[in-house]
Amino acid sequence: GENVEQHPSTLSVQEGDSAVIKCTYSDSASNYFPWYKQELGKRPQLIIDIRSNVGEKKDQRIAVTLNKTAKHFSLHITETQPEDSAVYFCAASSTGGSYIPTFGRGTSLIVHP
Amino acid sequence: KAGVTQTPRYLIKTRGQQVTLSCSPISGHRSVSWYQQTPGQGLQFLFEYFSETQRNKGNFPGRFSGRQFSNSRSEMNVSTLELGDSALYLCASSSDRFGTDTQYFGPGTRLTVL
Repeated sequence: GENVEQHPSTLSVQEGDSAVIKCTYSDSASNYFPWYKQELGKRPQLIIDIRSNVGEKKDQRIAVTLNKTAKHFSLHITETQPEDSAVYFCAASSTGGSYIPTFGRGTSLIVHP
Repeated sequence: KAGVTQTPRYLIKTRGQQVTLSCSPISGHRSVSWYQQTPGQGLQFLFEYFSETQRNKGNFPGRFSGRQFSNSRSEMNVSTLELGDSALYLCASSSDRFGTDTQYFGPGTRLTVL
């Protein structure tokens, strides 16, 4: 089955700095890679996703890059703000046939004012 | 549109009992997925229902089961509860099969097994 590894488990940055979270996956059939943000005591919310037919996607301060050959994808947050503090999860799944989404263990991002 | 709702929000049960959790998806959404979230194992996929059919199932024992009704509402049942079943159970809905459209999560049901 699919295996997703996420690093780092904790990331501490100063407000205004950039943050990068990396995930690797094992199944070459995976073609959909969403990222979720979960604030303390709240539900996970999709913040950005990427499909395997593109290499990069950007939405304001957030961007995701995908390297299919190396089987890794990354979340980039620029100009971090204290409200970016949360746990971020990556996931990988295949949209074709039987799919089972596999999540990374999560990265706790702490943005210090 | 109203978001995904889950009931109850909190549950305390004892070992050996069974429990039923409910999820109401966003209106118009036909796909409902269930996840178990624990500090040790993270987010794990339980199963997905689409138009009343279980399309996919994660690696959980048969004590975990679910169903979906014609109005897309879904229930999840756990029988013979074990201490390790204590977790946050999340459901998520989307208008189509996961992977083809955005998933929206509910607030979760916090299950504590004593």
